[in-house]
Amino acid sequence: DARVTQTPRHKVTEMGQEVTMRCQPILGHNTVFWYRQTMMQGLELLAYFRNRAPLDDSGMPKDRFSAEMPDATLATLKIQPSEPRDSAVYFCASAPVGQETQYFGPGTRLLVL
Amino acid sequence: AQSVTQLDSQVPVFEEAPVELRCNYSSSVSVYLFWYVQYPNQGLQLLLKYLSGSTLVKGINGFEAEFNKSQTSFHLRKPSVHISDTAEYFCAVKTPSSASKIIFGSGTRLSIRP
Repeated sequence: DARVTQTPRHKVTEMGQEVTMRCQPILGHNTVFWYRQTMMQGLELLAYFRNRAPLDDSGMPKDRFSAEMPDATLATLKIQPSEPRDSAVYFCASAPVGQETQYFGPGTRLLVL
Repeated sequence: AQSVTQLDSQVPVFEEAPVELRCNYSSSVSVYLFWYVQYPNQGLQLLLKYLSGSTLVKGINGFEAEFNKSQTSFHLRKPSVHISDTAEYFCAVKTPSSASKIIFGSGTRLSIRP
């Protein structure tokens, strides 16, 4: 049963530190999404890629967030420097070619102190 | 632009009772509609989706939803809930364009009482 994997599952860090979250999409899926979930804002789309090219990152704070896909099996989301307001659960999701269903990973729970 | 509204942030029901979770959308063009479920400490997973065709859509775990274009609604129903249905449910909307983004509602927390 193919799944999206995310590492780390939990991360506690101090304000100002760099945080890197990783996602391995399901093999063969060509679209990858990054979401952030908080109690206050709900589920927000940060960025998404198709065939490794960024299609939309308008939901991402550009000054401190960056998202990349070094290859088809790895997507990264980086925060530098991190701030307490970045504390949230970050989800990666992938979708296969021509399909609308998104498959979510288990999330990375980030706490910035 | 599309939007989706889930008016009920929480819905408590007794076990084996029926449930309806409401979802309304706004769009000037045709849409695809989805319901996703999020169990505690997990990611979202698809319950069901409407792309075209029959307006009554059946999903996993005994859930179904009906697309009502005139009322711009896509309410989720289950005739008899179980403790294991305790989760948060998200309605979502998207246009058929491959470049469009899926828009999620704010979620409805379903809590089942024994």
